[in-house]
Amino acid sequence: DSGVTQTPKHLITATGQRVTLRCSPRSGDLSVYWYQQSLDQGLQFLIHYYNGEERAKGNILERFSAQQFPDLHSELNLSSLELGDSALYFCASAPRAGNTEAFFGQGTRLTVV
Amino acid sequence: QQQVKQSPQSLIVQKGGISIINCAYENTAFDYFPWYQQFPGKGPALLIAIRPDVSEKKEGRFTISFNKSAKQFSLHIMDSQPGDSATYFCAASYGTSNYKLTFGKGTLLTVNP
Repeated sequence: DSGVTQTPKHLITATGQRVTLRCSPRSGDLSVYWYQQSLDQGLQFLIHYYNGEERAKGNILERFSAQQFPDLHSELNLSSLELGDSALYFCASAPRAGNTEAFFGQGTRLTVV
Repeated sequence: QQQVKQSPQSLIVQKGGISIINCAYENTAFDYFPWYQQFPGKGPALLIAIRPDVSEKKEGRFTISFNKSAKQFSLHIMDSQPGDSATYFCAASYGTSNYKLTFGKGTLLTVNP
């Protein structure tokens, strides 16, 4: 167990809908990264937050957004969902922004039908 | 643009054999090269990592070999066991405040008993 908690584990929703994925980092970790894992694209970096502030964006669609709250948990919001958004979404946490070792949660499997 | 290329896509090894997975990168700014192990239904877990100032790092049965001039690194699993059957990802990152990971596409390793 990495200590990173993601909810829900599974999510099935219809096209056009909006969902929120939640991530609780390891106790004391300030840094949260979001990744998308799909069969064709592999693991892709989406966005990085550190202590409530956005630090970097990767291949994140405009329909997607994220935030990190004062208690350090993070949420990834996916809107106007399309079939192609079906994937595993992982968050990873690290103690500090510059710390290299990131610990991954078990992921949320999103299925858009 | 795929910045980290991983091969092979899949690998079958007999118990007790050596598993070798290779990765090549393009961005010379990368300065941290981890390997992750992922079991079905789980998030990636850090296995071993290396920085470019060393050519080899060994932890138990796992060894990373690094060739800076060729921009290549590889994972060797000695005395492979059925419990090692998983998907392995190489990755790379750089920076001082944001260690977003760029992943290879993964290698599905099967160790036959």
